[in-house]
Amino acid sequence: DAGVTQSPTHLIKTRGQQVTLRCSPISGHKSVSWYQQVLGQGPQFIFQYYEKEERGRGNFPDRFSARQFPNYSSELNVNALLLGDSALYLCASSLDRMQETQYFGPGTRLLVL
Amino acid sequence: GESVGLHLPTLSVQEGDNSIINCAYSNSASDYFIWYKQESGKGPQFIIDIRSNMDKRQGQRVTVLLNKTVKHLSLQIAATQPGDSAVYFCALNRLDTGRRALTFGSGTRLQVQP
Repeated sequence: DAGVTQSPTHLIKTRGQQVTLRCSPISGHKSVSWYQQVLGQGPQFIFQYYEKEERGRGNFPDRFSARQFPNYSSELNVNALLLGDSALYLCASSLDRMQETQYFGPGTRLLVL
Repeated sequence: GESVGLHLPTLSVQEGDNSIINCAYSNSASDYFIWYKQESGKGPQFIIDIRSNMDKRQGQRVTVLLNKTVKHLSLQIAATQPGDSAVYFCALNRLDTGRRALTFGSGTRLQVQP
C-alpha cells in the first residue's frame, strides 16, 4: 500500500509569493494534519482536517490556510511568504480525527528567498 | 503550557551496543506517547507508541518506558545497527478540544559508530 504522498518535493519561492502544497493520505484514512519543521527542530502542528472541516489549528498566522477534498486529500496554502516560512512541511494522516497514530509523508521542502 | 524536552541533543554509540534515548514532558494531561525516527531528507517514521495506562511496551528491538510520576519517557534500542542512525523524536498526543495534535520534542541525533 502507498503511504502518505506529498507534492512537490522541493519548492523555491520569493518573499511575498504564495504557495500551495498537496498531500494524499493513506488509503482509508480520513484525517490529515499539517506540520511545519524548521531545520534542527521538531515538527510543529499547523492544522488538522477531518471530513473536509478544520478540526484544529496551531499557533500560526492567518497567512496559513488549508482545505480537504472529498477524496480526503488536502492542500496547504501559505500567502505573503516570509523568509521564516522556509521549512519542511509535513503531512500526516490517520484513520480518523481521534485516532492517535499519525503517519507522515516525506514532506515538501520550501525555501523562501 | 506544554513542552517536551530531550536530555541529549546527540547520542553516539558503538554498533551492537544498546541505546537509550530520553524524553521529559510537562503536561500531565498527555495520554499517548509516540517515538518517531527521522532519517535525513525523510518524514518521521513511526517506531512505537505507549498509552498513559501502561509503563512499558516492547517492539522489535525497541522498548518504550513511561514513568508518569516524573513525566519521563525513554526509548531503548537493542543491538544498535548503523541503520538506526537518525534523529529520534518523542511526541505527545492529547485530547484537546476534540482534536489530536502531536507535540514534538526537539529530537536526539543517534550516531552509530562501526
